[in-house]
Amino acid sequence: DAGITQSPRYKITETGRQVTLMCHQTWSHSYMFWYRQDLGHGLRLIYYSAAADITDKGEVPDGYVVSRSKTENFPLTLESATRSQTSVYFCASSETSGSQETQYFGPGTRLLVL
Amino acid sequence: AQTVTQSQPEMSVQEAETVTLSCTYDTSESDYYLFWYKQPPSRQMILVIRQEAYKQQNATENRFSVNFQKAAKSFSLKISDSQLGDAAMYFCAYRQQGAQKLVFGQGTRLTINP
Repeated sequence: DAGITQSPRYKITETGRQVTLMCHQTWSHSYMFWYRQDLGHGLRLIYYSAAADITDKGEVPDGYVVSRSKTENFPLTLESATRSQTSVYFCASSETSGSQETQYFGPGTRLLVL
Repeated sequence: AQTVTQSQPEMSVQEAETVTLSCTYDTSESDYYLFWYKQPPSRQMILVIRQEAYKQQNATENRFSVNFQKAAKSFSLKISDSQLGDAAMYFCAYRQQGAQKLVFGQGTRLTINP
């Protein structure tokens, strides 16, 4: 059972380039999330999705684009990367039925924007 | 907006002893969930324990327990018989009932001294 995976695990890019971070989950969870983790800020929500083709902004959405054409995938795109987007990015998923509302996290993607 | 505060950036404890990590939160809601996540050096986010606000009984998971004080909006984590493998960043998180977004505290780095 793979659970939730992210790719790539590490990425170095340059300012102005487009970067896409991938997230895949095998649980058929309805909800998926993208967080970024920066020193001193904990994790902050970028975007989330309640189901395929339904997405919504989180706390820090500027500079990011998401899509959810399939339930199991939730890619995050930085359309024109900036140095302030250097961070560790976590994808998470959760189901809503009964008590299964805990979010489960992927291993993270460390992104460096030069 | 809800906020979560962890006032201890770093804590240390001797192996086999007990340590308590503090967390306070601010919300006007009455129904919500609280979580403690562990992030070891691997960066993986691992759920340690969760508490439903409507439950008066404090949650317990083996050596991990919480002290949930709803009126004081306090949610501390107690780790008993600390082990070297407990060394990690610990994040407190809040989620409103019916919502899916998690709000995280800034984290507490726990060191276990052998």
